[in-house]
Order: sequence, then structure tokens, then C-alpha cells
Amino acid sequence: KAGVTQTPRYLIKTRGQQVTLSCSPISGHRSVSWYQQTPGQGLQFLFEYFSETQRNKGNFPGRFSGRQFSNSRSEMNVSTLELGDSALYLCASSTDREATDTQYFGPGTRLTVL
Amino acid sequence: AQSVTQLDSHVSVSEGTPVLLRCNYSSSYSPSLFWYVQHPNKGLQLLLKYTSAATLVKGINGFEAEFKKSETSFHLTKPSAHMSDAAEYFCVVSDQLTGGGNKLTFGTGTQLKVEL
Repeated sequence: KAGVTQTPRYLIKTRGQQVTLSCSPISGHRSVSWYQQTPGQGLQFLFEYFSETQRNKGNFPGRFSGRQFSNSRSEMNVSTLELGDSALYLCASSTDREATDTQYFGPGTRLTVL
Repeated sequence: AQSVTQLDSHVSVSEGTPVLLRCNYSSSYSPSLFWYVQHPNKGLQLLLKYTSAATLVKGINGFEAEFKKSETSFHLTKPSAHMSDAAEYFCVVSDQLTGGGNKLTFGTGTQLKVEL
């Protein structure tokens, strides 16, 4: 079974621009979560989507948004980019059949904001 | 909210010697705990998972972890380190959320260096 895929793998943007990242979960997985990884803050939860609805959200500004499609694929959007948004963005999927479900991660998208 | 504390930011071992990466957790109830590994420029790979079925959990690549409630610890061990084990390791706790689903809370990571 194919793993979680993320596109693109690398992005370079300038301040003020917006960006869209894509995540395709493992087949059959309905929950998709997004995490931001930076050297200073470590790994932080952004939000989680389930059945095309944002079910949970972390403590990030409204510039960070996302959506999920009927095939469970998810996109994350960051508007008005700031230098501090430079990070590795990781997507994870799970079946969501039980409370102790494992989240499986993709390789991430490395975003650099200049 | 639950949390995890990784006690060492860097650990260095010689190839063939044992590995010990330490993690303490804080939880008001029986937690779901994980260890993930991240190799340079890669995503996170699950090593093992504790969900109260057994206190000693065996994972991939010879790693195992023991859940000790009395010590609130979940340390990761491996009897003999290999050069390919050099990576960053994260201790993670899973929070069940009221709206459904889980949120992972990560420790700050332990960078493992393996020397010849």
C-alpha cells in the first residue's frame, strides 16, 4: 500500500505571497492532520480534517487554513507569508477507527520564505 | 493536556553498544505513547506504540520501550547500536480530542549520534 505523499517537496516563496501544499493520505485513511516543524518550536499541531470537515485546530493564526476533499486528499494554505513560516510541513493520516490510531507521516514539504 | 519530556537533547554511542533514550510523560490517565524516528530530510517513521496492552513494547529495527507507570517513563532502548540508527527520535503522546480524533504532542527530540 502506498504511503502518505506530499507535494511539492520543496517550495521557495517571498514574504506576502500565499502557498498551497497538498497531501494524499494512505488509501482508506479518512483523517488527515497537519504539523509544522521548526528548529525553534519543534513539531506543532496545525489542524486535522475528517470527512471534509476541520475537526480540530491548533494555536495558529487564521492565515493557516486547509480543506479536505471527498477522496480524503487534503490541502493546506498559508496566506500573506511571513519569514517565520519557513518550516517543514508534515501531513499525517490515520484510519480513525479507534482512539489509539497510529498516524502515518509523509516526507513533508520544506517551505522557505525569503 | 498531556505532555512528554525528553531528558536528553543529544546522545552519543559507539556502534555495537546499547542505546538508551529517555522520555517521561505527564498524564492524568493511561496515555497512548509512541516513539517516532526522523532521518535527515525525511518524514517521521513510527518505531513503536504503547496502548496499555503490554508494558514492554517491541518495535522495528530492534528497538523496544518499557512503560513504567510508577516512574511515568517510556524509555527507548536498543541492545546494539548501528550506524544507520543515527537520527532524531521523538517521544510522542496522543491526546483524544472532544470532537473526535487525536492530536499528537511531541517531545523536543533526541539527536542520536553513532560513532565507529
